[in-house]
Amino acid sequence: GQQVMQIPQYQHVQEGEDFTTYCNSSTTLSNIQWYKQRPGGHPVFLIQLVKSGEVKKQKRLTFQFGEAKKNSSLHITATQTTDVGTYFCAGRDGSGNTGKLIFGQGTTLQVKP
Amino acid sequence: NAGVTQTPKFQVLKTGQSMTLQCAQDMNHNSMYWYRQDPGMGLRLIYYSASEGTTDKGEVPNGYNVSRLNKREFSLRLESAAPSQTSVYFCASRGSGGLRNTGELFFGEGSRLTVL
Repeated sequence: GQQVMQIPQYQHVQEGEDFTTYCNSSTTLSNIQWYKQRPGGHPVFLIQLVKSGEVKKQKRLTFQFGEAKKNSSLHITATQTTDVGTYFCAGRDGSGNTGKLIFGQGTTLQVKP
Repeated sequence: NAGVTQTPKFQVLKTGQSMTLQCAQDMNHNSMYWYRQDPGMGLRLIYYSASEGTTDKGEVPNGYNVSRLNKREFSLRLESAAPSQTSVYFCASRGSGGLRNTGELFFGEGSRLTVL
């Protein structure tokens, strides 16, 4: 079945350093979503990418969807302590928004002030 | 507008006991989901319901049953709890995914279950 792999599992950075997490799917995805989960909290939706090669930015966060629609990345520029948490990618197979959403294992980001 | 509400937030069970996790959403969403979260494993889909009256197995359905009671409510039942079912359980709902809807999941706050 469909698998979504995410690396690294953990990342510790100094405040101000950049951070990137990568997501790879075993199958071609119709779209990919990214979520953030603060410690002790629940996942919260960040963004959805749909088009091949799509790049979207949210302030210091840059999201990319690969040309083959099998991989994606999230890059944070100049991390802040408020960025602490676990970032999940979630890939959807099937057409449009009808397929199941399969989550990666997540990358937990720690930021040292 | 409460979003997705899960109960209970915490529960301790003994092996072999049964319990039901309740979930309700007030966003008129068609689809509802149950995930479990374990360290290093991410969120794994247990069961989902694409619409009222339908349920389907996810990645890890063994040991669980679900009921889509109506459009608002989707419950998860453990008939005979096992220590391997110690986890944090999240309920989520999703809209129709139309032009103005990304199909994002809205999560409840989670239910932390310990099976001794």
